[in-house]
Amino acid sequence: AQTVTQSQPEMSVQEAETVTLSCTYDTSESDYYLFWYKQPPSRQMILVIRQEAYKQQNATENRFSVNFQKAAKSFSLKISDSQLGDAAMYFCAYRSGRNGQNFVFGPGTRLSVLP
Amino acid sequence: NAGVMQNPRHLVRRRGQEARLRCSPVKGHSHVYWYRQLPEEGLKFMVYLQKENIIDESGMPKERFSAEFPKEGPSILRIQQVVRGDSAAYFCASSSQGAFEQYFGPGTRLTVT
Repeated sequence: AQTVTQSQPEMSVQEAETVTLSCTYDTSESDYYLFWYKQPPSRQMILVIRQEAYKQQNATENRFSVNFQKAAKSFSLKISDSQLGDAAMYFCAYRSGRNGQNFVFGPGTRLSVLP
Repeated sequence: NAGVMQNPRHLVRRRGQEARLRCSPVKGHSHVYWYRQLPEEGLKFMVYLQKENIIDESGMPKERFSAEFPKEGPSILRIQQVVRGDSAAYFCASSSQGAFEQYFGPGTRLTVT
């Protein structure tokens, strides 16, 4: 079974600074997808960024980028120019490339942004 | 552009009562997933359904929990004889055939008193 680990229960960053959230996963599959979700106090799950394992290029969405190291099974999220609205729980998630598979989530990292 | 709808958003039940959680997927999506989030934890997979079929219920407790996704109408997650440990946020997600991305609803927060 696949597992997802987030070793940082809590992180904090100064507004306008950069922070990196760590995620590692364990799988024997070669075809899969990785995601970062943001969960603000409203509890809505908001997709931040996704990465297809077959793509070597790291995904980027505005201030959010990932460092995908397939051999190391590492998928970290970098948030640049942090804003107060970035404060939330962040979950790393894995999904098998096989059809109809569920997501496997990590335990989450609580990010605080300091003014 | 209706996303995944879940209702109710908040549900309070006394121990021993039944809880019914409803999920309407994105229009055209035929795959529904239910996840449970305990306080201060990540989401845990419970069950995966397609129209009129349960495909994978490996994450569902063996007793008191059931799920359905009928041909017409929303998917229902049913919890019988609720206990305090069932208090959690329950999220529904949907996807279309062959898609890898899932769209999440806002969740139902169940509180058992």
